[in-house]
Amino acid sequence: EAGVAQSPRYKIIEKRQSVAFWCNPISGHATLYWYQQILGQGPKLLIQFQNNGVVDDSQLPKDRFSAERLKGVDSTLKIQPAKLEDSAVYLCASSLVSVSFTDTQYFGPGTRLTVL
Amino acid sequence: DAKTTQPPSMDCAEGRAANLPCNHSTISGNEYVYWYRQIHSQGPQYIIHGLKNNETNEMASLIITEDRKSSTLILPHATLRDTAVYYCIVSPTSGGSNYKLTFGKGTLLTVNP
Repeated sequence: EAGVAQSPRYKIIEKRQSVAFWCNPISGHATLYWYQQILGQGPKLLIQFQNNGVVDDSQLPKDRFSAERLKGVDSTLKIQPAKLEDSAVYLCASSLVSVSFTDTQYFGPGTRLTVL
Repeated sequence: DAKTTQPPSMDCAEGRAANLPCNHSTISGNEYVYWYRQIHSQGPQYIIHGLKNNETNEMASLIITEDRKSSTLILPHATLRDTAVYYCIVSPTSGGSNYKLTFGKGTLLTVNP
């Protein structure tokens, strides 16, 4: 089966510019996650969707970050305006909400953002 | 969520078993132990998870102590491709809409030829 797709793979912008990332989860996966991974650290959850509804966005900096998942499939994560500290890898993951509740999160390759 | 403690780095010779420890002394009775790994420039990859019994799959074995305060991930025959950061994570559920993972810094395992 196809994995989680993300684009672009790399993006370089200047501070105060805007940027958007796209994610296409594995077909049929109801739950979608966006993580931020700063160099040398583990991924940090930014937002979790269940179908097209938000389950958890407690760690999303809502003054500059926004995310949507229209129609419960693809998702976009936007940063506007970007700051230097937003330089990181942005990972998308998806999981199948299974009746047996033994889910696995499948991660995409990530988008490496550099803010100059 | 319970916190985990892992050594920052470990080395292993190719072909030998790699034993990666994890301490989770504050784990609750309904919390699962997950292991993921992240190869350089890739997204994390699921390895294995367990509640209280030892588990084995095609990638690794997970040994959880009887008191559940620590666990060990075992890669039985490490190869160079197993060089990665390994994350031990405790999660309050194994799935469903509340399934989420809190990553620490993990252990960098380097497999040497």
